[in-house]
Amino acid sequence: NAGVTQTPKFQVLKTGQSMTLQCAQDMNHEYMSWYRQDPGMGLRLIHYSVGAGITDQGEVPNGYNVSRSTTEDFPLRLLSAAPSQTSVYFCASKTGTGSYGYTFGSGTRLTVV
Amino acid sequence: EDQVTQSPEALRLQEGESSSLNCSYTVSGLRGLFWYRQDPGKGPEFLFTLYSAGEEKEKERLKATLTKKESFLHITAPKPEDSATYLCAVQPDSGGYQKVTFGTGTKLQVIP
Repeated sequence: NAGVTQTPKFQVLKTGQSMTLQCAQDMNHEYMSWYRQDPGMGLRLIHYSVGAGITDQGEVPNGYNVSRSTTEDFPLRLLSAAPSQTSVYFCASKTGTGSYGYTFGSGTRLTVV
Repeated sequence: EDQVTQSPEALRLQEGESSSLNCSYTVSGLRGLFWYRQDPGKGPEFLFTLYSAGEEKEKERLKATLTKKESFLHITAPKPEDSATYLCAVQPDSGGYQKVTFGTGTKLQVIP
């Protein structure tokens, strides 16, 4: 099992550019989420999905879109990058049963200049 | 609004010097409290889930405990490889599994 795989690991964007952060999991988890992590702040939920075809907004959704066409994949799209979106982004997945917490990917460090 | 406060922000220990990390939380009703470990440049790694006051979980040199307002992560005789940031998170009993609030973490450094 690879777990949760995120690509790319690093990205620099210019203000106004768009891009997609990729996330894939091979554990057949129902729940998938995108978080951003900024210095001095806890992980904040951007968007989440409870299954293929079902997505919803989290705490900080503005400027981001998601879709979930398969159980495995949950890409995050930045529509028009802004410097405020400079952050480290984590994708996470979780089974709907059992006592385990989320399995996180290794993150994408995004800089918007 | 659910809140999680972790203290101290940073902790420096000598190898073998036991200590505890604190996670204070406010939640209307607790479904679960989670502890994660995060190494630099990596994603958080799940350690424990605690569900009710009085519950304890152990893993190697780590023991997590839970009261109605706090959780403690006790580190016994730490080693340099225990150096990491430890995150606490709470999930309320209302809302779905995505409704998790994270603390900002305690950065632990264990010196040989």
